[in-house]
Amino acid sequence: GAVVSQHPSRVICKSGTSVKIECRSLDFQATTMFWYRQFPKKSLMLMATSNEGSKATYEQGVEKDKFLINHASLTLSTLTVTSAHPEDSSFYICSARASKLAPVEQFFGPGTRLTVL
Amino acid sequence: GENVEQHPSTLSVQEGDSAVIKCTYSDSASNYFPWYKQELGKGPQLIIDIRSNVGEKKDQRIAVTLNKTAKHFSLHITETQPEDSAVYFCAASKTRTGGFKTIFGAGTRLFVKA
Repeated sequence: GAVVSQHPSRVICKSGTSVKIECRSLDFQATTMFWYRQFPKKSLMLMATSNEGSKATYEQGVEKDKFLINHASLTLSTLTVTSAHPEDSSFYICSARASKLAPVEQFFGPGTRLTVL
Repeated sequence: GENVEQHPSTLSVQEGDSAVIKCTYSDSASNYFPWYKQELGKGPQLIIDIRSNVGEKKDQRIAVTLNKTAKHFSLHITETQPEDSAVYFCAASKTRTGGFKTIFGAGTRLFVKA
């Protein structure tokens, strides 16, 4: 099946620094990528949807200047958490789909655990 | 608003028994219903999905049923094994302006006791 990778898998940073997380579709072209945030023992919360070559669409309540998303190619999307604070600590998961509209499978990456000290 | 409710939140079964997880959705425009299995510290993995033009789908020990009229769908796992222990998420997806949106249920933590 389709494989989505994320890097890094874990990151610990100091408060005030920025952290970049990469999401790659390894064996298919992802026209759409999604970024989720998951709190312990909770469901996935959609942060934003990005279509290749266009600006990301952010969900209500998600600060676009805080969580910068770039989807520059059909196989790579990045999420940058700017000026990270302890409350940004979470498990961030990306997913990718090969189509914008048709109901096709959404494949998830393994997640990135961010800890902000 | 858009919502997916999932029950139960926790389910404990004996190895070999069946497990059933139920979800209801609010948006009648939803037309794709995937189920994901998430193990500790990992991303969700798609285990089975069903589209709105189908009422039932089976893949070995896993089956999913969909009742569009009642807006609910269920996951059935038969002959459960300890390695089935994980968190399971249902989801409902629909097409929207600019793309496709998926709403996830809150998850069910399944424990299979050996």
